Amino acid sequence: AQTVTQSQPEMSVQEAETVTLSCTYDTSESNYYLFWYKQPPSRQMILVIRQEAYKQQNATENRFSVNFQKAAKSFSLKISDSQLGDTAMYFCAFMIGDMRFGAGTRLTVKP
Amino acid sequence: EADIYQTPRYLVIGTGKKITLECSQTMGHDKMYWYQQDPGMELHLIHYSYGVNSTEKGDLSSESTVSRIRTEHFPLTLESARPSHTSQYLCASRQGDTQYFGPGTRLTVL
Repeated sequence: AQTVTQSQPEMSVQEAETVTLSCTYDTSESNYYLFWYKQPPSRQMILVIRQEAYKQQNATENRFSVNFQKAAKSFSLKISDSQLGDTAMYFCAFMIGDMRFGAGTRLTVKP
Repeated sequence: EADIYQTPRYLVIGTGKKITLECSQTMGHDKMYWYQQDPGMELHLIHYSYGVNSTEKGDLSSESTVSRIRTEHFPLTLESARPSHTSQYLCASRQGDTQYFGPGTRLTVL
């Protein structure tokens, strides 16, 4: 069975600082996709960043970057220069066939 | 970026009522999904479809049903709503390896 684990139910960070959200997954497959989604309070779920497992280079989108460690089955999200608008639930997801989501990490950015 | 629409956005109904939650996407995506999510909690897949006339149940047992008569439309129906159905329902569609979500319907059954 393919599972996704987010071990940090809640995190907080001061505005302008950097925070890292962790995610691990379990699969025996070698080709798959990984994602981080953001769900702000009472707002739509949006895609933050995606990573293809066959690419060794870590994906980056502006202030968001990932640390993909395939051997360790780890896929952490780093948010640099945190902003108040980054406050949201963050879901790690894994796709082979259909998508599997982690339980989410609630991030609060404090002024 | 995909455009996915869900109506209504909020719904409060009494027990025993039949309801249909609408989901439409304009991008021609074959794969569509319904998730149930309690506020701030994880997502549970309840239904999915890989194309017209294709529907499957997801991981979480649900008393709801779905249909896929047209590519762009994937409605979810509860024949007799109960308080245990109170939740948020998220619709999604998929293009290639990326899934896009609608804004969700927050359902409250009294």
